Amino acid sequence: AAGVIQSPRHLIKEKRETATLKCYPIPRHDTVYWYQQGPGQDPQFLISFYEKMQSDKGSIPDRFSAQQFSDYHSELNMSSLELGDSALYFCASSPGGESYEQYFGPGTRLTVT
Amino acid sequence: GESVGLHLPTLSVQEGDNSIINCAYSNSASDYFIWYKQESGKGPQFIIDIRSNMDKRQGQRVTVLLNKTVKHLSLQIAATQPGDSAVYFCAENIDDYKLSFGAGTTVTVRA
Repeated sequence: AAGVIQSPRHLIKEKRETATLKCYPIPRHDTVYWYQQGPGQDPQFLISFYEKMQSDKGSIPDRFSAQQFSDYHSELNMSSLELGDSALYFCASSPGGESYEQYFGPGTRLTVT
Repeated sequence: GESVGLHLPTLSVQEGDNSIINCAYSNSASDYFIWYKQESGKGPQFIIDIRSNMDKRQGQRVTVLLNKTVKHLSLQIAATQPGDSAVYFCAENIDDYKLSFGAGTTVTVRA
């Protein structure tokens, strides 16, 4: 079965650089969520989109922005990167409607040096 | 995740035994809970979910129990196998579908 695809899988950036993470949800899933997971931490909700509109916002820094496109893929844009942004970034998708189930991608490991 | 937490950060289990992983939550308004399994370097993998109108749900080798009176959630894994070694998170739906995760329990299966 098709799963959530994230790219790139690994990314190394320097402080103050920008990064763009991409997420391709499971086909026919219209809702996308972004989570950040620091080392040894639980995933923290950043932002979500439903039908290309932002549906909810969590602990996402103002330096980050995201959007969902017409084909339902989503991109997380991160600017002025800081060392503390080093983490695993997960995208999850959901079929929406009355389903709360979220299916996670393999994640992008971002390292800021 | 401040509103969902696990009682034990680590659990060591003998292969073939049953495992019980516990989770306490504080948001009485939560109406949906999920257990995820996360292996090293991978994304959380959906195991089983339960809605607040149920107190028990069974899957393949897994059972989730929900006690709303004491706000407690547990995951039982029958006949634990080496492949079950991972970090297990409980998560609750707190608002508009987004999930709040607990701190995770690392399960190690001894051969």
